[in-house]
Amino acid sequence: DTGVSQNPRHKITKRGQNVTFRCDPISEHNRLYWYRQTLGQGPEFLTYFQNEAQLEKSRLLSDRFSAERPKGSFSTLEIQRTEQGDSAMYLCASSLILGALEGYTFGSGTRLTVV
Amino acid sequence: KQEVTQIPAALSVPEGENLVLNCSFTDSAIYNLQWFRQDPGKGLTSLLLIQSSQREQTSGRLNASLDKSSGRSTLYIAASQPGDSATYLCAVTSGSRLTFGEGTQLTVNP
Repeated sequence: DTGVSQNPRHKITKRGQNVTFRCDPISEHNRLYWYRQTLGQGPEFLTYFQNEAQLEKSRLLSDRFSAERPKGSFSTLEIQRTEQGDSAMYLCASSLILGALEGYTFGSGTRLTVV
Repeated sequence: KQEVTQIPAALSVPEGENLVLNCSFTDSAIYNLQWFRQDPGKGLTSLLLIQSSQREQTSGRLNASLDKSSGRSTLYIAASQPGDSATYLCAVTSGSRLTFGEGTQLTVNP
């Protein structure tokens, strides 16, 4: 297991299109998180899963955003009808509960540009 | 609501200097605190994890301390090198999530 993997690394899309990102966490980690980071800011929490259950969603996660984690393994984050304000780095992280033992491990992120 | 603040926002130092980055948080009921490094356009690399029961952690030239009661942490970097240039992020686990500061952008000049 080489860590948290995110695909694609970069995505350029036209405004109004739908996009989907994928995250493959560390296999033994039961929690998976999505964060969004805009230029010059720290990452902001979007949502997290414990196994396959989505337990919390931020107010940042509008109804155009949906995340899934079928079977408690990989996760997808879909953005419908993209807007220019969605342009950001989308980061995925995984951990054991509460970041115990090893803390949180982040992927390399997906950079989304909406034109 | 947990809030994390990092000071300074940016720091430029000559190579070889020792430096301290500061992090403060408003809710002392944390499970742990983690320092990350982020290179431009890249993801986050974990540097040090301090559990709430610990006071400090060390890795190579890096030393992080935690004073949970006062809501403060510091990251000490000894003998800085140009390769240390990056943004350093502090994050705390409280409630069910990790909350980040806005980072300190460090530039080490040769």
